[in-house]
Amino acid sequence: DARVTQTPRDKVTEMGQEVTMRCQPILGHNTVFWYRQTMMQGLELLAYFRNRAPLDDSGMPKDRFSAEMPDATLATLKIQPSEPRDSAVYFCASGLGLAGGTDTQYFGPGTRLTVL
Amino acid sequence: DQQVKQNSPSLSVQEGRISILNCDYTNSMFDYFLWYKKYPAEGPTFLISISSIKDKNEDGRFTVFLNKSAKHLSLHIVPSQPGDSAVYFCAASGRSSGDKLTFGTGTRLAVRP
Repeated sequence: DARVTQTPRDKVTEMGQEVTMRCQPILGHNTVFWYRQTMMQGLELLAYFRNRAPLDDSGMPKDRFSAEMPDATLATLKIQPSEPRDSAVYFCASGLGLAGGTDTQYFGPGTRLTVL
Repeated sequence: DQQVKQNSPSLSVQEGRISILNCDYTNSMFDYFLWYKKYPAEGPTFLISISSIKDKNEDGRFTVFLNKSAKHLSLHIVPSQPGDSAVYFCAASGRSSGDKLTFGTGTRLAVRP
């Protein structure tokens, strides 16, 4: 049963600390997405990759957030320095990258981040 | 600017009755729409989708209706079951947006036994 995995599931940290979240997409998927879930905005797209190349990170605060795909089996989202307003659930999703914008994205279980 | 809107944050329905969840969008370039279901402490899971060339798509107890002129879609669940209690997200994409999905803020459905 192929699924997207994310680590850690929960992270509590103090303001100013670096946070790294990891995601393993489903094998064979060539698109990877990072979302943040907030009460007001629902699921916000932070960044996404196709074939490991970053295509859009316009949803990310550039000064503190960075997203990378060191290889096809790992995507990372880093926050440095973290702030209390970054507290949210962060989801990773992957997809086959079908043409025409009709792809289905498969989500991981999320990382719940709390910044004190 | 919320391009996909779910104006009802919550909905409560009796078991066995119909649940109707609504979604409105503003971007006329959207041509593919999806519904995701999310249980607590889990990621969203794909439920059903519809292309703009259709106005209805059915999968078991779940039916999605699309009204392109009104830029409105709805998800019908008949009959509703307690296991359907979850948050439902509407999402949209289009050829112009490539791989990106734009999500609504979600509607929390509670099905009462």
